[in-house]
Amino acid sequence: DIVMTQSPDSLAVSLGEGATINCKSSQSVLYSSNSKNYLAWYQQKPGQPPKLLIYWASTRESGVPDRISGSGSGTDFTLTISSLQAEDVAVYYCQQYYSTPFTFGQGTKLEIK
Amino acid sequence: EVQLVESGGDLVQPGGSLRLSCAASGFTFSSYWMHWVRQAPGKGLVWVSFINTDGSNTDYADSVKGRFTISRDNAKNTLYLQMNSLRADDTAVYYCARLIGGSGWTPFDYWGQGTLVTVSS
Repeated sequence: DIVMTQSPDSLAVSLGEGATINCKSSQSVLYSSNSKNYLAWYQQKPGQPPKLLIYWASTRESGVPDRISGSGSGTDFTLTISSLQAEDVAVYYCQQYYSTPFTFGQGTKLEIK
Repeated sequence: EVQLVESGGDLVQPGGSLRLSCAASGFTFSSYWMHWVRQAPGKGLVWVSFINTDGSNTDYADSVKGRFTISRDNAKNTLYLQMNSLRADDTAVYYCARLIGGSGWTPFDYWGQGTLVTVSS
Protein backbone atom coordinates (compact mmCIF):
# COMPACT_ATOMS: atom_id res chain seq x y z
CA ASP A 1 0.00 0.00 0.00
CA ILE A 2 1.11 3.57 -0.68
CA VAL A 3 1.47 5.50 2.56
CA MET A 4 0.65 9.20 2.45
CA THR A 5 2.24 11.42 5.10
CA GLN A 6 1.21 15.04 5.59
CA SER A 7 3.01 17.78 7.44
CA PRO A 8 2.32 19.57 9.64
CA ASP A 9 -0.54 17.93 11.53
CA SER A 10 -1.91 21.36 12.38
CA LEU A 11 -1.23 24.89 11.29
CA ALA A 12 -2.32 28.30 12.56
CA VAL A 13 -2.06 31.21 10.15
CA SER A 14 -3.16 34.83 10.33
CA LEU A 15 -5.89 36.07 8.03
CA GLY A 16 -4.40 37.24 4.75
CA GLU A 17 -1.21 35.26 5.25
CA GLY A 18 -0.14 32.21 3.26
CA ALA A 19 -0.42 28.57 4.32
CA THR A 20 1.51 25.58 3.01
CA ILE A 21 0.68 21.93 3.58
CA ASN A 22 3.01 19.16 2.48
CA CYS A 23 2.24 15.60 1.43
CA LYS A 24 4.74 12.82 0.80
CA SER A 25 3.93 9.45 -0.72
CA SER A 26 5.91 6.28 0.08
CA GLN A 27 6.30 5.61 -3.63
CA SER A 28 5.91 7.67 -6.76
CA VAL A 29 2.37 8.41 -7.92
CA LEU A 30 3.59 9.70 -11.28
CA TYR A 31 2.34 7.47 -14.08
CA SER A 32 5.01 7.58 -16.75
CA SER A 33 2.75 6.73 -19.70
CA ASN A 34 0.71 9.94 -19.35
CA SER A 35 3.04 12.03 -17.13
CA LYS A 36 0.24 12.59 -14.63
CA ASN A 37 0.57 12.61 -10.87
CA TYR A 38 -2.33 10.69 -9.34
CA LEU A 39 -2.64 13.03 -6.35
CA ALA A 40 -5.66 14.97 -5.08
CA TRP A 41 -6.35 17.40 -2.26
CA TYR A 42 -9.61 17.65 -0.34
CA GLN A 43 -11.00 20.13 2.18
CA GLN A 44 -13.30 18.96 4.95
CA LYS A 45 -15.25 21.22 7.27
CA PRO A 46 -16.92 19.93 10.45
CA GLY A 47 -20.04 17.89 9.79
CA GLN A 48 -19.51 17.95 6.04
CA PRO A 49 -18.15 15.47 3.51
CA PRO A 50 -14.80 16.20 1.89
CA LYS A 51 -14.71 18.61 -1.02
CA LEU A 52 -12.35 18.08 -3.94
CA LEU A 53 -9.97 21.02 -4.40
CA ILE A 54 -7.10 19.85 -6.60
CA TYR A 55 -6.46 16.78 -8.75
CA TRP A 56 -3.62 15.61 -11.00
CA ALA A 57 -1.55 17.39 -8.32
CA SER A 58 -2.17 20.85 -9.75
CA THR A 59 -5.54 21.02 -11.57
CA ARG A 60 -8.01 23.15 -9.70
CA GLU A 61 -11.56 21.77 -9.46
CA SER A 62 -14.27 24.01 -10.88
CA GLY A 63 -15.29 26.72 -8.45
CA VAL A 64 -12.16 26.52 -6.29
CA PRO A 65 -10.64 29.99 -5.84
CA ASP A 66 -7.30 30.58 -7.54
CA ARG A 67 -5.64 31.45 -4.23
CA ILE A 68 -5.64 27.69 -3.62
CA SER A 69 -3.04 25.84 -5.66
CA GLY A 70 -1.25 22.52 -5.79
CA SER A 71 2.23 21.59 -6.92
CA GLY A 72 4.76 18.81 -6.83
CA SER A 73 5.58 15.59 -8.63
CA GLY A 74 6.60 12.03 -7.95
CA THR A 75 6.52 11.68 -4.18
CA ASP A 76 6.44 15.25 -2.85
CA PHE A 77 3.45 17.55 -3.11
CA THR A 78 2.30 20.87 -1.69
CA LEU A 79 -1.04 22.60 -1.20
CA THR A 80 -0.72 26.36 -0.96
CA ILE A 81 -3.33 28.87 0.15
CA SER A 82 -1.95 32.26 -0.79
CA SER A 83 -4.09 34.53 1.37
CA LEU A 84 -5.98 32.81 4.16
CA GLN A 85 -9.67 33.59 4.45
CA ALA A 86 -11.95 32.66 7.35
CA GLU A 87 -13.76 30.11 5.19
CA ASP A 88 -10.50 28.20 4.68
CA VAL A 89 -10.56 26.89 8.25
CA ALA A 90 -10.86 23.14 7.74
CA VAL A 91 -8.97 19.87 7.68
CA TYR A 92 -7.09 19.19 4.44
CA TYR A 93 -6.30 15.72 3.10
CA CYS A 94 -4.11 14.54 0.28
CA GLN A 95 -5.04 11.31 -1.50
CA GLN A 96 -3.33 9.07 -4.00
CA TYR A 97 -5.45 7.36 -6.65
CA TYR A 98 -2.52 5.72 -8.42
CA SER A 99 -3.45 2.29 -7.10
CA THR A 100 -5.89 0.61 -4.77
CA PRO A 101 -6.18 0.80 -1.90
CA PHE A 102 -6.61 4.50 -2.51
CA THR A 103 -4.95 6.08 0.53
CA PHE A 104 -5.26 9.41 2.26
CA GLY A 105 -2.89 11.42 4.38
CA GLN A 106 -3.72 11.75 8.05
CA GLY A 107 -5.03 15.29 7.57
CA THR A 108 -3.80 18.78 8.40
CA LYS A 109 -5.97 21.03 10.55
CA LEU A 110 -5.79 24.66 9.42
CA GLU A 111 -6.83 27.32 11.90
CA ILE A 112 -6.76 31.09 12.21
CA LYS A 113 -4.00 32.51 14.41
CA GLU B 1 -27.77 18.41 -9.73
CA VAL B 2 -25.69 15.42 -8.66
CA GLN B 3 -26.91 13.92 -5.40
CA LEU B 4 -25.72 10.96 -3.39
CA VAL B 5 -27.82 10.05 -0.36
CA GLU B 6 -26.66 7.33 2.01
CA SER B 7 -28.93 5.47 4.39
CA GLY B 8 -28.96 2.37 6.55
CA GLY B 9 -26.56 3.42 9.28
CA ASP B 10 -27.51 2.27 12.77
CA LEU B 11 -26.32 0.99 16.13
CA VAL B 12 -25.44 -2.70 15.81
CA GLN B 13 -23.87 -5.23 18.15
CA PRO B 14 -20.44 -6.71 17.45
CA GLY B 15 -20.78 -9.62 15.08
CA GLY B 16 -23.94 -8.18 13.57
CA SER B 17 -24.78 -7.17 10.01
CA LEU B 18 -25.98 -4.04 8.27
CA ARG B 19 -26.66 -2.99 4.70
CA LEU B 20 -25.94 0.54 3.62
CA SER B 21 -27.53 2.12 0.56
CA CYS B 22 -26.53 5.10 -1.54
CA ALA B 23 -29.22 6.55 -3.79
CA ALA B 24 -27.82 8.44 -6.76
CA SER B 25 -29.51 11.08 -8.88
CA GLY B 26 -28.64 13.86 -11.30
CA PHE B 27 -26.22 11.81 -13.39
CA THR B 28 -26.06 8.57 -15.36
CA PHE B 29 -25.32 6.26 -12.43
CA SER B 30 -24.71 3.22 -14.64
CA SER B 31 -21.75 4.97 -16.29
CA TYR B 32 -19.83 5.61 -13.07
CA TRP B 33 -17.57 3.48 -10.93
CA MET B 34 -18.54 4.07 -7.31
CA HIS B 35 -16.66 3.89 -4.01
CA TRP B 36 -17.26 3.71 -0.29
CA VAL B 37 -15.01 5.68 2.08
CA ARG B 38 -15.32 5.74 5.86
CA GLN B 39 -14.28 8.06 8.65
CA ALA B 40 -14.14 7.00 12.29
CA PRO B 41 -15.22 9.71 14.76
CA GLY B 42 -12.53 12.38 14.93
CA LYS B 43 -10.26 10.46 12.57
CA GLY B 44 -9.16 10.59 8.95
CA LEU B 45 -10.55 9.20 5.72
CA VAL B 46 -10.16 5.54 4.84
CA TRP B 47 -11.04 3.99 1.49
CA VAL B 48 -13.25 0.90 1.85
CA SER B 49 -14.28 -0.47 -1.54
CA PHE B 50 -15.05 0.22 -5.19
CA ILE B 51 -17.23 -1.29 -7.88
CA ASN B 52 -17.14 -0.80 -11.63
CA THR B 53 -20.11 0.06 -13.80
CA ASP B 54 -21.62 -3.41 -14.20
CA GLY B 55 -20.42 -4.89 -10.93
CA SER B 56 -17.98 -7.28 -12.57
CA ASN B 57 -14.96 -5.74 -10.87
CA THR B 58 -14.70 -4.91 -7.17
CA ASP B 59 -11.95 -4.33 -4.66
CA TYR B 60 -11.76 -3.96 -0.89
CA ALA B 61 -9.49 -2.67 1.81
CA ASP B 62 -7.76 -5.51 3.63
CA SER B 63 -9.53 -4.52 6.85
CA VAL B 64 -12.97 -5.37 5.38
CA LYS B 65 -12.12 -8.07 2.85
CA GLY B 66 -14.24 -11.17 3.39
CA ARG B 67 -16.71 -9.29 5.61
CA PHE B 68 -18.06 -6.51 3.38
CA THR B 69 -19.63 -6.82 -0.07
CA ILE B 70 -20.19 -3.94 -2.45
CA SER B 71 -22.91 -4.17 -5.08
CA ARG B 72 -25.11 -1.98 -7.23
CA ASP B 73 -28.50 -1.92 -8.90
CA ASN B 74 -28.26 0.28 -11.95
CA ALA B 75 -32.00 0.04 -12.58
CA LYS B 76 -32.58 1.59 -9.15
CA ASN B 77 -29.59 3.96 -9.31
CA THR B 78 -28.44 2.58 -5.98
CA LEU B 79 -25.12 1.47 -4.53
CA TYR B 80 -24.96 -0.95 -1.60
CA LEU B 81 -22.51 -2.07 1.05
CA GLN B 82 -23.37 -5.29 2.88
CA MET B 83 -21.45 -5.35 6.14
CA ASN B 84 -21.14 -8.62 8.07
CA SER B 85 -19.22 -9.69 11.18
CA LEU B 86 -19.08 -6.07 12.29
CA ARG B 87 -16.41 -5.03 14.82
CA ALA B 88 -16.04 -2.03 17.06
CA ASP B 89 -13.37 -0.59 14.75
CA ASP B 90 -15.92 -0.50 11.89
CA THR B 91 -17.63 2.36 13.74
CA ALA B 92 -17.54 5.30 11.34
CA VAL B 93 -19.43 7.59 9.03
CA TYR B 94 -19.66 5.83 5.68
CA TYR B 95 -19.63 7.95 2.55
CA CYS B 96 -20.37 6.90 -0.99
CA ALA B 97 -18.41 8.80 -3.60
CA ARG B 98 -18.35 9.21 -7.35
CA LEU B 99 -15.27 9.38 -9.55
CA ILE B 100 -14.49 12.24 -11.88
CA GLY B 101 -14.99 11.05 -15.44
CA GLY B 102 -16.82 7.91 -14.41
CA SER B 103 -14.18 5.24 -14.47
CA GLY B 104 -10.59 4.35 -13.87
CA TRP B 105 -8.19 5.88 -11.43
CA THR B 106 -9.46 9.39 -10.79
CA PRO B 107 -10.39 11.31 -7.63
CA PHE B 108 -13.82 11.70 -6.05
CA ASP B 109 -15.75 14.72 -7.24
CA TYR B 110 -19.04 14.12 -5.41
CA TRP B 111 -19.63 12.66 -1.96
CA GLY B 112 -22.79 11.89 -0.06
CA GLN B 113 -23.43 13.37 3.39
CA GLY B 114 -22.61 10.04 5.01
CA THR B 115 -24.40 7.57 7.27
CA LEU B 116 -23.21 6.67 10.76
CA VAL B 117 -22.56 3.07 11.70
CA THR B 118 -21.95 2.41 15.38
CA VAL B 119 -20.82 -1.04 16.49
CA SER B 120 -21.24 -1.45 20.22
CA SER B 121 -22.80 -3.75 22.78
